[in-house]
Amino acid sequence: QVQLQESGPGLVKPSQTLSLTCTVSSGPISSGDYSWTWIRQPAGKGLEWIGRMYTNGNTKYNPSLKSRVTVSRDTSKNQFSLRLSSVTATDTAVYYCARGRAISRSPSGLDVWGQGTMVTVSS
Amino acid sequence: DIQMSQSPSSLSASVGDRVTITCRASQSIGNYLNWYQQKPGTAPNLLIYAASSLQSGVPSRFSGSGSGTDFTLTISSLQPEDFACYFCQQSYSTPHTFGQGTKLEIK
Repeated sequence: QVQLQESGPGLVKPSQTLSLTCTVSSGPISSGDYSWTWIRQPAGKGLEWIGRMYTNGNTKYNPSLKSRVTVSRDTSKNQFSLRLSSVTATDTAVYYCARGRAISRSPSGLDVWGQGTMVTVSS
Repeated sequence: DIQMSQSPSSLSASVGDRVTITCRASQSIGNYLNWYQQKPGTAPNLLIYAASSLQSGVPSRFSGSGSGTDFTLTISSLQPEDFACYFCQQSYSTPHTFGQGTKLEIK
């Protein structure tokens, strides 16, 4: 069973760049009908879809964050990453990485999630 | 962006009850609708995908229905472990937006 694990700093200063990495335990992230996705959740609030990378390397981002967000990958390490620039306190949240699945080319939910990592933006 | 709205926002129920949660999309999304369960301090867990398909390993007391703009998640007989927060998500177009969540509490 594939597992995902987020890693990165738990504290980021305002105006700096948040950088997180998701390590995928098995199965190359460059194959299969999957997308590798970042989601966040402020404390006590709902879920916000940030962006994703398909196995072919194409990316899609939430327009509300598009100018600040980049999802990339390192296939040699089977990792994908999130960079969010110019952070403010409103970016404080638990950040999750997840695997999006397609069945017969139809998006079929986020079936594997990391445990999440708390990131606080504060000076 | 497609807006997803859930109702109710919170719900009190008893073990053994039948419970229904509703999710409405701001435009037609076909059957591109997923449901998740989230317990405190843990990541969401996929229950239902494509509106009505049960994710592997999820108990059969969970079911989903609907298409277009209106969807429901039904739990046929609540168990103690079902008290949690439930989210819907559309995967019709990016960003794949979520509903605001429904908190299911013990009466």
